Amino acid sequence: EAGVAQSPRYKIIEKRQSVAFWCNPISGHATLYWYQQILGQGPKLLIQFQNNGVVDDSQLPKDRFSAERLKGVDSTLKIQPAKLEDSAVYLCASSQDRGYGYTFGSGTRLTVV
Amino acid sequence: AQSVAQPEDQVNVAEGNPLTVKCTYSVSGNPYLFWYVQYPNRGLQFLLKYITGDNLVKGSYGFEAEFNKSQTSFHLKKPSALVSDSALYFCAVRDISNTDKLIFGTGTRLQVFP
Repeated sequence: EAGVAQSPRYKIIEKRQSVAFWCNPISGHATLYWYQQILGQGPKLLIQFQNNGVVDDSQLPKDRFSAERLKGVDSTLKIQPAKLEDSAVYLCASSQDRGYGYTFGSGTRLTVV
Repeated sequence: AQSVAQPEDQVNVAEGNPLTVKCTYSVSGNPYLFWYVQYPNRGLQFLLKYITGDNLVKGSYGFEAEFNKSQTSFHLKKPSALVSDSALYFCAVRDISNTDKLIFGTGTRLQVFP
């Protein structure tokens, strides 16, 4: 089966600019996660979708981050405006059976200068 | 709250020697534990998981992990390390709240020397 697809792979932007990341989960996977991995740290959940509804966005900085999952399939994560501390790898993951199997994409490495 | 701890930032081992990457957990209820590996500029790759059953779990690439309830540990092991095993390893626990998200440790960098 095809894996979780993410784009772009790399992005460099200046602070205060906006950026968007895209994720296409494995076909049939109802649950989609966005994680932020800052250098030297473990991934931290930003937002979790079940189909097109939000399950958990408690760690999402809602003043600058937003995410949507249209029609319960693809998802986009947006940052506007970006700050230097947003430099990280943004990982998307999907799961068919909640809590038992998670497949991660290759991630998008964001550098904010 | 669920959490995992990886006490070692880096583990160094010679090729051919056995390796151990440590993980301890703190959960309420039965733990669902995972190990992932991350190579440079790559996403997280699943190695193995413990849900229930045998305490020794076998996974991908010759790795295994031993679940120890009394010591609240889930150490990753391999009998004979390869240079290609050099990577960043993450232990994770499933959050038992209704979100079922993975909660990760801080990671351990494994360096295998020829």
